[in-house]
Amino acid sequence: DGGITQSPKYLFRKEGQNVTLSCEQNLNHDAMYWYRQDPGQGLRLIYYSQIVNDFQKGDIAEGYSVSREKKESFPLTVTSAQKNPTAFYLCASHGAHEQYFGPGTRLTVT
Amino acid sequence: GEDVEQSLFLSVREGDSSVINCTYTDSSSTYLYWYKQEPGAGLQLLTYIFSNMDMKQDQRLTVLLNKKDKHLSLRIADTQTGDSAIYFCAERWGSSASKIIFGSGTRLSIRP
Repeated sequence: DGGITQSPKYLFRKEGQNVTLSCEQNLNHDAMYWYRQDPGQGLRLIYYSQIVNDFQKGDIAEGYSVSREKKESFPLTVTSAQKNPTAFYLCASHGAHEQYFGPGTRLTVT
Repeated sequence: GEDVEQSLFLSVREGDSSVINCTYTDSSSTYLYWYKQEPGAGLQLLTYIFSNMDMKQDQRLTVLLNKKDKHLSLRIADTQTGDSAIYFCAERWGSSASKIIFGSGTRLSIRP
């Protein structure tokens, strides 16, 4: 059963703490992405990786970090430097022509 | 610049057709996409169209592409309550696989 998994579905953190969101895919895709979605808005690209051990900043990378040590995994760390971290985070991978999305993680920071 | 524009809301009576419109900016876009998002969920790919096509039909879905006007539309025939969702238009920007630009989404609501 191929797909993209994100965990956890809901995450709560105190301000000032770093938090890591998990994204795993078994689709054998090279490229993976992290997006942020705020209410009533579209998706904004945080980071993407086209191949293992390589990644690039997207449009809103400040306050975030990623790693890509394995093809299947692309974790996102939301650091304390991110000023407004509360949002819905979506991970995706790129197939032949299209992107497939995970179910998302809703992060709430108080 | 990169921009994909959609209207924010659409309300349709159950059983009628829904037409969601989108304009995009990059004339070199190779693929254009429609995604569906239900509350609290990720985005589900509905369909996509290659830029050398004018139309694509898949069961109740019809996609029309007007490259001259950079206009894309999604028609949902016989709209059902299960079609209530946010629909995102997206373009694959340039020739790179790395960047897909999404619109802000159109919220489709179905009235009885």
